[in-house]
Amino acid sequence: SAVISQKPSRDICQRGTSLTIQCQVDSQVTMMFWYRQQPGQSLTLIATANQGSEATYESGFVIDKFPISRPNLTFSTLTVSNMSPEDSSIYLCSGQGTTYEQYFGPGTRLTVT
Amino acid sequence: ILNVEQSPQSLHVQEGDSTNFTCSFPSSNFYALHWYRWETAKSPEALFVMTLNGDEKKKGRISATLNTKEGYSYLYIKGSQPEDSATYLCAFPESGGYQKVTFGTGTKLQVIP
Repeated sequence: SAVISQKPSRDICQRGTSLTIQCQVDSQVTMMFWYRQQPGQSLTLIATANQGSEATYESGFVIDKFPISRPNLTFSTLTVSNMSPEDSSIYLCSGQGTTYEQYFGPGTRLTVT
Repeated sequence: ILNVEQSPQSLHVQEGDSTNFTCSFPSSNFYALHWYRWETAKSPEALFVMTLNGDEKKKGRISATLNTKEGYSYLYIKGSQPEDSATYLCAFPESGGYQKVTFGTGTKLQVIP
């Protein structure tokens, strides 16, 4: 299994600012993902973080709003740009294991005021 | 967009009671089904990866069954304990060997001492 750390664990940000969330995996994983859980909803995939290339975004998510980097196999960042209160969510990164199960970071709880 | 549904949405049981809940998913193009447990303030934790029709997996007091022909999986908890209180998520990969999964909305279980 993989151990995934994420920081910050929580933040309160002002509208219009940006926040970068970091995700570190303790071992190499094939795939890394970024999810969001808005209040009362399930996990929604934002994008697949691809090593050394642009992330693959899901419908409804765009690079300008959620730029993602993955410079190597064990590290990725997600930036939430130009935040609004609607971006208040828990953001989670995950890495995929060899049997395709996912290992999750502890999440970043973001509140936008 | 795949339809992965879980029921019930929430459940309260007394300590010592056994309980079960359901995940339904598309029965065509089945590759695997994952179950996760997500405790408050922690990361989602993979419980089971189920791949074969008729599979039954067990981890302590928790077990799961799979029916791929009719598109459902059951999660059972025997003799519920307060530490079982969590949200239980199922996840359905969208294509073989691939990474992208659709999560159900979860069943929130609360075990009352």
